[in-house]
Amino acid sequence: DAMVIQNPRYQVTQFGKPVTLSCSQTLNHNVMYWYQQKSSQAPKLLFHYYDKDFNNEADTPDNFQSRRPNTSFCFLDIRSPGLGDAAMYLCATSRDLPTSGETQYFGPGTRLLVL
Amino acid sequence: TQLLEQSPQFLSIQEGENLTVYCNSSSVFSSLQWYRQEPGEGPVLLVTVVTGGEVKKLKRLTFQFGDARKDSSLHITAAQTGDTGLYLCAGLSYSGAGSYQLTFGKGTKLSVIP
Repeated sequence: DAMVIQNPRYQVTQFGKPVTLSCSQTLNHNVMYWYQQKSSQAPKLLFHYYDKDFNNEADTPDNFQSRRPNTSFCFLDIRSPGLGDAAMYLCATSRDLPTSGETQYFGPGTRLLVL
Repeated sequence: TQLLEQSPQFLSIQEGENLTVYCNSSSVFSSLQWYRQEPGEGPVLLVTVVTGGEVKKLKRLTFQFGDARKDSSLHITAAQTGDTGLYLCAGLSYSGAGSYQLTFGKGTKLSVIP
């Protein structure tokens, strides 16, 4: 059974048109992450939630926002997508914050295309 | 900023051959993880190595963490077409104020040809 679910798997949006990507988890994990992965690049952490506490990476553009209404769901909002925002967006969860033994479980990703 | 360099970037081999891919850094990591990512899917954790010099085996895959905890290698014996994918290493390091940071390398794209 899928533990980290991302919807949709593929999303097409227009330049400047707001878009929301969705992630849900059945693991009851405290931490949820959003990564951006461009072609042939490493996944880049955008932000994470520890429970309701939001933690933004210093170099994440303001164009990217996130919401976590409850333990199971986390959303990535891109307010005004640019062509450079086309990428695979990966959601991950972990039971607790990263420590030596902590494992992150990744969803299948949403591939975003900006026209 | 912690950087992880993976080599080679691309590798294409025949089924049955052996291969080794590398993950190198000038920084020390608390632990290092290896993931495999198939096209259109998220990364799946293969192994976590924690102790310097540690060797872990997962069937035909052998993972080694360097003595200084700055580098790691993944060796695959008798590669199969099912091993095809992107292999990512990710290092965990302490970033201060009780926080840890997971840094990914760009990955090695492996193609195993029948």
